Amino acid sequence: SYVLTQPPSISVAPGKTASITCGGDSIGYKSVSWYQQRPGQAPVLVIYLDSARPSGIPERFSGSNSWNTATLTISRVEAGDEADYYCLVWDRPHDLIFGPGTKVTVL
Amino acid sequence: QVQLQESGPGLVKPSQTLSLTCTVSGDSMTSGGYFWSWIRQPAGKGLEWIGRAYFSGTTNYSPSLKSRVTISVDTSKKQFFLKLTSVTAADTAVYYCARVGGNSEFGYYLDSWGQGSLVTVSS
Repeated sequence: SYVLTQPPSISVAPGKTASITCGGDSIGYKSVSWYQQRPGQAPVLVIYLDSARPSGIPERFSGSNSWNTATLTISRVEAGDEADYYCLVWDRPHDLIFGPGTKVTVL
Repeated sequence: QVQLQESGPGLVKPSQTLSLTCTVSGDSMTSGGYFWSWIRQPAGKGLEWIGRAYFSGTTNYSPSLKSRVTISVDTSKKQFFLKLTSVTAADTAVYYCARVGGNSEFGYYLDSWGQGSLVTVSS
C-alpha cells in the first residue's frame, strides 16, 4: 500500500504564510489534490493536478509537487483559513489515497 | 453547477447492509467523462476513499473495502449508489458522495461534494 504523511497540526499568525506538506515515496510523479474542511462542513477542493486552482479559490492558495513532497501554501493567512487540510493522491496501481490531514490553527 | 445530495437510513444494524443514494443535479452524469465516488469519515478522524464508478459500469474500489463494497450508477434517475455489506461499528461514519474530475492521463480529483450523511451502525 502507498503511505502518505502530513503534520498533524500547524499554527500560523494572521498575514503570514502556512505551508502544509504531504509526503510519499516519489509523490512528485503522482497527481495531488488538496481539500479544505472547515468544522462540520464537507471538504472543498482548493488545488488539483498539483498546482491548479478551481474557480472561486483565492490566489492565496497555491500548490507544488516535487520528489517526495507535495506542498500546499496559503499566503496572507486569514482567520477563515482555519480548517483541516487533506492531500489526495492518484496513482494508477493504488487509485485514490488520502493523507491523514493537517489541522491549521490561525493564532 | 453540479450539486450532489446523499440520502439513506441513518441507522443500520450490525451484520446488515448499508445502502446510500447520491442524487445529482445541475449536470449530466454521462458527459464530461466523470466518475462518481463515495468517501467516508468517522467522527474526529480523517477521510477514507471508498471507491468510484463510471456510468458504463466500470468500477474501482479501495483494497481495504473491496470485498464488501458495490457502487453503481443509474443515469436515468441521475443517481448513484453505495452498498456496504456485513457492517460493524467500525463502519459508523459520515458518508460523502463526490464527482471525480480529471482523467487517467493527468490524474483524478474530487471536484464537487455532497453535504454528507451520518450512518450509525448499532443494534
